[in-house]
Amino acid sequence: QVRLVESGGGVVQPGGSLRLSCGASGFIFSFYGIHWVRQAPGKGLEWVAFIGLDEGDKYYADSVKGRFTISRDNSKNTVFLQMNSLGVEDTAVYYCAKGHLTAEWGQGTLVSVSS
Amino acid sequence: IQVTQSPSSLSASVGDRVTITCQASQDINNHLNWFQQKPGKAPNLLIYDASSLRAGVPSRFSGSGSGTHFTFTIRSLQPEDIATYYCQQYDNPALTFGGGTKVEIK
Repeated sequence: QVRLVESGGGVVQPGGSLRLSCGASGFIFSFYGIHWVRQAPGKGLEWVAFIGLDEGDKYYADSVKGRFTISRDNSKNTVFLQMNSLGVEDTAVYYCAKGHLTAEWGQGTLVSVSS
Repeated sequence: IQVTQSPSSLSASVGDRVTITCQASQDINNHLNWFQQKPGKAPNLLIYDASSLRAGVPSRFSGSGSGTHFTFTIRSLQPEDIATYYCQQYDNPALTFGGGTKVEIK
């Protein structure tokens, strides 16, 4: 059974940093890319970043390019999202999703950027 | 790739047929998903490849279309279908989502 579990969310001041984790189980992790998608309170879904099978295959939304970094550790079945220079506009629930089809999602972790 | 979804909300009676449309800014090779999202929950994939019903999803849900124009249909709206629905293209690793359609019971 595929399971994705996000962690690392919390409250941070503007300009601060957070590192989110997406732990995976129930499938061969190294065979799949992973997306991060976020949802601001009361808003729609916004794609954030994608990492393919290796560290050289990464894509970012324009809204986070240069501030966020996606990475993966196949030995730990985990994808990370390092978020720097956070602004209030980054406040959202952050989800990770498996593969190009994004058929399976985690439950999300809340990031709140507030002074 | 831009994805435009309409309407943004709709109200229908139990048993009604409900239709949502999604327009892509370019041909996405039928790489289109439809998701259902209920409050406080992660999106749940219902339809992939524009028209393929995911295993375990009720058959009253269906998708159609090709190229740039796609349609999602609930054949007979049920009370448990109250949710927000999103289309999403995955032809490009930079996913894009429609703005969502909030479905309510009249």
